Amino acid sequence: DAKTTQPTSMDCAEGRAANLPCNHSTISGNEYVYWYRQIHSQGPQYIIHGLKNNETNEMASLIITEDRKSSTLILPHATLRDTAVYYCIVRGIHGSSNTGKLIFGQGTTLQVKP
Amino acid sequence: DTAVSQTPKYLVTQMGNDKSIKCEQNLGHDTMYWYKQDSKKFLKIMFSYNNKELIINETVPNRFSPKSPDKAHLNLHINSLELGDSAVYFCASSQTIYGYTFGSGTRLTVV
Repeated sequence: DAKTTQPTSMDCAEGRAANLPCNHSTISGNEYVYWYRQIHSQGPQYIIHGLKNNETNEMASLIITEDRKSSTLILPHATLRDTAVYYCIVRGIHGSSNTGKLIFGQGTTLQVKP
Repeated sequence: DTAVSQTPKYLVTQMGNDKSIKCEQNLGHDTMYWYKQDSKKFLKIMFSYNNKELIINETVPNRFSPKSPDKAHLNLHINSLELGDSAVYFCASSQTIYGYTFGSGTRLTVV
């Protein structure tokens, strides 16, 4: 599975959009980009994933560049409860079975400030 | 209606003891995992089971033995506990390309 590079930490003002970048320059054609977050002392939480098109759900938007070498997770209106470590992970899907493992890096610690 | 539940939430035990952590998911997922998060906060996969069959076994001491009686359960048994086993252990499940669902973790402290 391809590796990812994320900034170690970021700050964001409450109510503003939080844009979290991720580089995955060695991503291959069958690998998806996943985003998870881990709020202190809790289990990681799935946020969103995509292959090549931009994706949006109730939590966030995922923008993937055309060459797929980088992506940005956007939290449109950050709240204090969004303070967490955000992980960008690329993962291949092996056939029809779910054997692709999630490999977590160090992630980006997002601090949302009042 | 917890999706992935782990028990116990906290476990404090002495070195050399044997302990088990249980995990159950009610999502109907085919694949379950055990992850370990150490004091440096890195999350590392330990094991993965798909329909009760072991499919991923990372470099984990053989003191750790997973058991999957059915696809909704994946338990972790640890023999001869050592100080370095102290960590938070997370169970997770997933189905095809969709995201993993993690449990809330078991904080194991070996004294």
